[in-house]
Amino acid sequence: GQNIDQPTEMTATEGAIVQINCTYQTSGFNGLFWYQQHAGEAPTFLSYNVLDGLEEKGRFSSFLSRSKGYSYLLLKELQMKDSASYLCAVRITGSTLTFGKGTMLLVSP
Amino acid sequence: DSGVTQTPKHLITATGQRVTLRCSPRSGDLSVYWYQQSLDQGLQFLIQYYNGEERAKGNILERFSAQQFPDLHSELNLSSLELGDSALYFCASSAQSLNEQFFGPGTRLTVL
Repeated sequence: GQNIDQPTEMTATEGAIVQINCTYQTSGFNGLFWYQQHAGEAPTFLSYNVLDGLEEKGRFSSFLSRSKGYSYLLLKELQMKDSASYLCAVRITGSTLTFGKGTMLLVSP
Repeated sequence: DSGVTQTPKHLITATGQRVTLRCSPRSGDLSVYWYQQSLDQGLQFLIQYYNGEERAKGNILERFSAQQFPDLHSELNLSSLELGDSALYFCASSAQSLNEQFFGPGTRLTVL
């Protein structure tokens, strides 16, 4: 079976840096995705890693270690609008994604 | 705006009923995916179509079915509805099978 773990909730302060971890145990691996989802809205794509290392995209970076089954999403210079759920998803075969339950991030002033 | 459209936005119905959810993918996208999101289960993959053909199946109940039409829009049919089917149903599309998926705004289904 597939197992993707993320913390349920995190809190951080505006302007700070936060790291959201994701660990996975899957029967295959063909890429890891991070999505952002505001309450009641559609998930929006943030980042994609298929090789080990860091991918940087503005204030957001994502890291992958395939040997450890581990990824993190790093958010810098936090803004109030970053309060959302962050979903880690693994692509195993084909193009289907298996999502974790998401990490609810609350950014406070 | 992802370019993926879904109708209706909200749907309220009774147990035992049947409903149809509709999705139009982004222009040019051949793959359509359906997901169910409930508070306790997170985002669950249901089924994928690629250019009219079923490509992959996830945790889709036998009471649920889907199809993709020649114009590439897709419909998800939910029958014999139960209270537990109340959820947000998202459709997503992608240009090629391996690219990121773009999600529609979702249909919120409430079964009373």
